[in-house]
Amino acid sequence: ETGVTQTPRHLVMGMTNKKSLKCEQHLGHNAMYWYKQSAKKPLELMFVYNFKEQTENNSVPSRFSPECPNSSHLFLHLHTLQPEDSALYLCASSQNTGGAYEQYFGPGTRLTVT
Amino acid sequence: QKEVEQNSGPLSVPEGAIASLNCTYSDRGSQSFFWYRQYSGKSPELIMSIYSNGDKEDGRFTAQLNKASQYVSLLIRDSQPSDSATYLCAVKTSYDKVIFGPGTSLSVIP
Repeated sequence: ETGVTQTPRHLVMGMTNKKSLKCEQHLGHNAMYWYKQSAKKPLELMFVYNFKEQTENNSVPSRFSPECPNSSHLFLHLHTLQPEDSALYLCASSQNTGGAYEQYFGPGTRLTVT
Repeated sequence: QKEVEQNSGPLSVPEGAIASLNCTYSDRGSQSFFWYRQYSGKSPELIMSIYSNGDKEDGRFTAQLNKASQYVSLLIRDSQPSDSATYLCAVKTSYDKVIFGPGTSLSVIP
């Protein structure tokens, strides 16, 4: 266990559904991240939050909407997704976005869009 | 040129041998380098970080950094079947982004 939890671990949703992914870290970190990992592709950084403020949005489609109410919790709200959005969604945290920047990952949510 | 490059593999080594995993990066100002291990169906797990030129050892793992050549490697001594996984190299760039490489798949043959 890395101290980063994600729920749900598996999610199947239709293209018209709305769902949310949740991430919680118990490490006392200030930065949190959402990554997408598709088969045979490198990790793709989606969003970065530092001290609850969004510091990066890597041209992610608006059907993905992040929310960071505090430094320990991060959500990814999903709506009207496409089949190509099926992937492993990983949450990570680090002390902050500066310095050594070691990131610790949660177990991920395996998302399937039908 | 891709920012972080790794041989995709698969790299196959016999049990007990040394596995050598390589990574090159394009941003000369990068200062922090990380190796992650990812088992199939699991999330990446941090193995080592290295910041200075030279070698850093942790158990059976040794990270090597050469900033002049923009090269970082991971050596796994006495490889075990349980080391079979994908190894991800990550680089923190001078513009404060962490870029992951595509990963190298390692298979340790009993």
